[in-house]
Amino acid sequence: AQSVAQPEDQVNVAEGNPLTVKCTYSVSGNPYLFWYVQYPNRGLQFLLKYITGDNLVKGSYGFEAEFNKSQTSFHLKKPSALVSDSALYFCAVRAASSGTYKYIFGTGTRLKVLA
Amino acid sequence: GAGVSQSPRYKVAKRGQDVALRCDPISGHVSLFWYQQALGQGPEFLTYFQNEAQLDKSGLPSDRFFAERPEGSVSTLKIQRTQQEDSAVYLCASSPSLAGARGAYFGAGTRLSVL
Repeated sequence: AQSVAQPEDQVNVAEGNPLTVKCTYSVSGNPYLFWYVQYPNRGLQFLLKYITGDNLVKGSYGFEAEFNKSQTSFHLKKPSALVSDSALYFCAVRAASSGTYKYIFGTGTRLKVLA
Repeated sequence: GAGVSQSPRYKVAKRGQDVALRCDPISGHVSLFWYQQALGQGPEFLTYFQNEAQLDKSGLPSDRFFAERPEGSVSTLKIQRTQQEDSAVYLCASSPSLAGARGAYFGAGTRLSVL
């Protein structure tokens, strides 16, 4: 069965500092991995994805994530946080094998960037 | 339109009432998903369509929930005899890819409150 764990309910970081939001996953076979961000009263917005290739993927708004197969992790990172990055972040996984359609989401991590 | 559109944005229903939630996916997207997001939680999978075919409905919580996509475009999620535990945000997402490698694009959701 597929699953995603986001071990931190909330991450606080000072503006200008680097940020990391953690995600680990479990899936049979190769994973497709995604990060989404959700602002209040808004739907989920796509940030970035890992499908294959380079383990470091770059996405929107200066975010990047590193796929680590041995640790089954896909942590979200940004070198310098902005106050406007404060939002709810969701990691999601989908098995690459055919016949599996669901995106499975983690429970979310609330990021607070302090001025 | 440019994105996934859901209507209504907000719905208040009395317990026992039937409701219908509409999703207009991005034009040409073959895959369509419905998710349920309870307050403070990550989205939970409900059902998946590939064109007009409902390929996975394993996440529908009871037989009171019914989804359709008769022409492979607009989809409707219907909840019969609503209960208080049905209160949540219902998210619709569409994807151009059958294999899921391109991620899913989410609408803003319909917030359902059952009194």
